[in-house]
Amino acid sequence: DAGVTQSPTHLIKTRGQQVTLRCSPKSGHDTVSWYQQALGQGPQFIFQYYEEEERQRGNFPDRFSGHQFPNYSSELNVNALLLGDSALYLCASSPIGGSKNYEQYFGPGTRLTVT
Amino acid sequence: AQKVTQAQTEISVVEKEDVTLDCVYETRDTTYYLFWYKQPPSGELVFLIRRNSFDEQNEISGRYSWNFQKSTSSFNFTITASQVVDSAVYFCALSEAGGFKTIFGAGTRLFVKA
Repeated sequence: DAGVTQSPTHLIKTRGQQVTLRCSPKSGHDTVSWYQQALGQGPQFIFQYYEEEERQRGNFPDRFSGHQFPNYSSELNVNALLLGDSALYLCASSPIGGSKNYEQYFGPGTRLTVT
Repeated sequence: AQKVTQAQTEISVVEKEDVTLDCVYETRDTTYYLFWYKQPPSGELVFLIRRNSFDEQNEISGRYSWNFQKSTSSFNFTITASQVVDSAVYFCALSEAGGFKTIFGAGTRLFVKA
């Protein structure tokens, strides 16, 4: 039973560029959440996707957008990258429309460096 | 509003010492879940424990134990006889029942020296 997978593992981008990160949820899970973890801080909630729609959003600008596909996998897009976007991006999946948020599983993360 | 506070930024102990990591939370909900995660240098969050707000029983799992006290809004984590492999960042987190996000504390970095 595969857990949550994320790709790529590491990524280096230049200021102003755009980036797409990918996440495949754990088998049986239909809800995907994205978190940003800056160095030395705890993960911060970006948004959650369920039924291909953004259901809740944290305090992040519109440069951060996402998508969920019919197979429940998800993408996180960040436009006009800033140096401050450098962070570990974590994907988490949960079952049954997220109603069991306490059964949230995290992926290994994508480390994004913006230069 | 939800909030999780981990006042200890870094803790350094010598192997075999006991260590307690503190966590204080704020929420207006009556039903919620509390978590502890371990994050080793590899970066992946490792789930350690989940507690719901109606279960104040303390729990012990091997060298790990957790003390949940609603009266003080605390959910502290104790490692007994610490080992070098316990060195990591530990996060306390809160999720409201039916909520869609998990709120994390800033983390406590634990160094266990041989």
